[in-house]
Amino acid sequence: DQQVKQNSPSLSVQEGRISILNCDYTNSMFDYFLWYKKYPAEGPTFLISISSIKDKNEDGRFTVFLNKSAKHLSLHIVPSQPGDSAVYFCAALRINTGTASKLTFGTGTRLQVTL
Amino acid sequence: NAGVTQTPKFRILKIGQSMTLQCTQDMNHNYMYWYRQDPGMGLKLIYYSVGAGITDKGEVPNGYNVSRSTTEDFPLRLELAAPSQTSVYFCASRLQGRTTEAFFGQGTRLTVV
Repeated sequence: DQQVKQNSPSLSVQEGRISILNCDYTNSMFDYFLWYKKYPAEGPTFLISISSIKDKNEDGRFTVFLNKSAKHLSLHIVPSQPGDSAVYFCAALRINTGTASKLTFGTGTRLQVTL
Repeated sequence: NAGVTQTPKFRILKIGQSMTLQCTQDMNHNYMYWYRQDPGMGLKLIYYSVGAGITDKGEVPNGYNVSRSTTEDFPLRLELAAPSQTSVYFCASRLQGRTTEAFFGQGTRLTVV
């Protein structure tokens, strides 16, 4: 059962334009949602997160929007830069479950920013 | 401050061999995780640990074992390697509390032939 889904395996955007990466989830009990960025041959690195009680979080060029009723979140990158080309993973976290909090990941979206 | 360190970076195993993937973190994080990433797939949780002496299974634990004797180390053991275990393995750690992000190692690329 895939609890976190990223339905677009790839996305191509021109430099300077907006990149929008989408993520859907099925478990309404998630407390936090996170975005990770991954370059080839490296481990994922944390980008930005949002609490389930918020609907927007912004950090520089990166903004995450959460729509709880639709169980959907999106990552906006404005303006997109060539260095943003990477695989982006959406992840969800439950806390206070009585055992270790597990990060559940989506399948990733490969973003390519073209010149 | 090295963060999360995984060794080795690459390994080729023959079917039926065993090996241990090492993971150590120097951030005093209580939570540690092992994930595997198959081509075109997301990260799947193998095992995780809330602290020394406590481990639990994730989504895909079959064929693996873990131990957590110290806060710093969380080795992953493959006892009888199979081709299905060809993957990239990532170790991660996280601090319980207000911080939510997990920090990842650089990964171990394992090929079983």
